[in-house]
Amino acid sequence: AQSVTQLDSHVSVSEGTPVLLRCNYSSSYSPSLFWYVQHPNKGLQLLLKYTSAATLVKGINGFEAEFKKSETSFHLTKPSAHMSDAAEYFCVVSDPSGTYKYIFGTGTRLKVLA
Amino acid sequence: NAGVTQTPKFQVLKTGQSMTLQCAQDMNHNSMYWYRQDPGMGLRLIYYSASEGTTDKGEVPNGYNVSRLNKREFSLRLESAAPSQTSVYFCASLTRGSGNTIYFGEGSWLTVV
Repeated sequence: AQSVTQLDSHVSVSEGTPVLLRCNYSSSYSPSLFWYVQHPNKGLQLLLKYTSAATLVKGINGFEAEFKKSETSFHLTKPSAHMSDAAEYFCVVSDPSGTYKYIFGTGTRLKVLA
Repeated sequence: NAGVTQTPKFQVLKTGQSMTLQCAQDMNHNSMYWYRQDPGMGLRLIYYSASEGTTDKGEVPNGYNVSRLNKREFSLRLESAAPSQTSVYFCASLTRGSGNTIYFGEGSWLTVV
C-alpha cells in the first residue's frame, strides 16, 4: 500500500533564503508523486509532478523536486523564498492499481519571514 | 475556463439536517473525487467515481452518500449531519495520461452545530 510522510508540519524561512520541504513515500509500485500548494481559504494547485521521466522535476514559481528511489524521498526545494510562497504544501502519491486514488501527506505549513 | 466548480462555498447546518454538496467539471474527465480536509490530517478520500456510472468508498465514507449524475457532475450528500462532519470539502477530477493530474475545486466550508 502507498503512504506518504511529510517530515515537518511547520517550516519557517527568511525571505530570500532557500526552502526545503521534506517528503518520504512508501510504494509497492513505481509511484507517481506530486506536490500541491494551498494558499489560505483556497483550493489546491499543482506545483509539479514526477511520473518516471527525469528524476529532477521543475515546477511553477521556481520550485523543483528530486525523486530519489534509494532514499524513497521527493523533497521540494526553492533557491530563494518569496513572501508569496507562504502557504501549506502537500506531498501526494498516486495509487497506480487502477483506482487512481491519491494519498496525501498531512501537509507542511511554510512561513516566510520578512 | 471554470475547471471544477463546487457549491455551496459556505454552509452551516444543525445536527441531524441533511444537505447535498454539488460538484461539476467541464474538462471531460472520467474520474471524480470527494475529499475532506481537517487540520493536521491532510486530505482524506470520502468517495470516488472512477468513471460515469460507478462509485466506490474511500477512507472515510461513513455518514456520506454520493451520486455520479453524469460525466460532469458528482454530488456528496450528508443524510443526517453530525458535528464530526464539520470540515472543508473538496471535489476533484482527474485526467488520465500525462501523469494523471488531479484538479481541485475551491472547497466548501461546512459547519455542523
